[in-house]
Amino acid sequence: QKEVEQNSGPLSVPEGAIASLNCTYSDRGSQSFFWYRQYSGKSPELIMFIYSNGDKEDGRFTAQLNKASQYVSLLIRDSQPSDSATYLCAVLRGGNNRLAFGKGNQVVVIP
Amino acid sequence: EPEVTQTPSHQVTQMGQEVILRCVPISNHLYFYWYRQILGQKVEFLVSFYNNEISEKSEIFDDQFSVERPDGSNFTLKIRSTKLEDSAMYFCASSVGGGPYEQYFGPGTRLTVT
Repeated sequence: QKEVEQNSGPLSVPEGAIASLNCTYSDRGSQSFFWYRQYSGKSPELIMFIYSNGDKEDGRFTAQLNKASQYVSLLIRDSQPSDSATYLCAVLRGGNNRLAFGKGNQVVVIP
Repeated sequence: EPEVTQTPSHQVTQMGQEVILRCVPISNHLYFYWYRQILGQKVEFLVSFYNNEISEKSEIFDDQFSVERPDGSNFTLKIRSTKLEDSAMYFCASSVGGGPYEQYFGPGTRLTVT
């Protein structure tokens, strides 16, 4: 079983719509969760982190964590063409030093 | 805004050669990391470093790899004898503390082994 799974294929959303991304993780003891955005050929850029069950909002982004079901999600409201990127889910593992990443979900916002 | 910097941006080397990738972490950060991303694949952890020693490493980080903090600002990754499969983007990251602190990534070094 993979540590972090992001299974959805490329997601196309019209400009102004909501993009919804999901991620599941295998270790029930995981405590810290991160969403990174990665433009093609660039490095991961941190956009959200969440440690507690429930929702956390930051601007147009909302992260949702459900530890009982072992999933994390990211909502992007009012999607803009500049949001077109790959979104990486990451879970802090090991001795709390190692980020385990999922493969990422590509989002394409159509003007 | 402080950021992690990396040099060079692109390194081309021949198989069997040694390479050193350099990073300058954010100045008040204490934990440093190297990750790599082979083209089209996920980001993979290599090593974490704190207080001048390795705190955790992955199975990828074998005897061919080493890290060092030679002075108060630089953090380096050395690959002693490069292989074709070492071709990847190498990202340095840093965080203010270990555990649940955000890791900030540098722009990366693209390593091409021919």
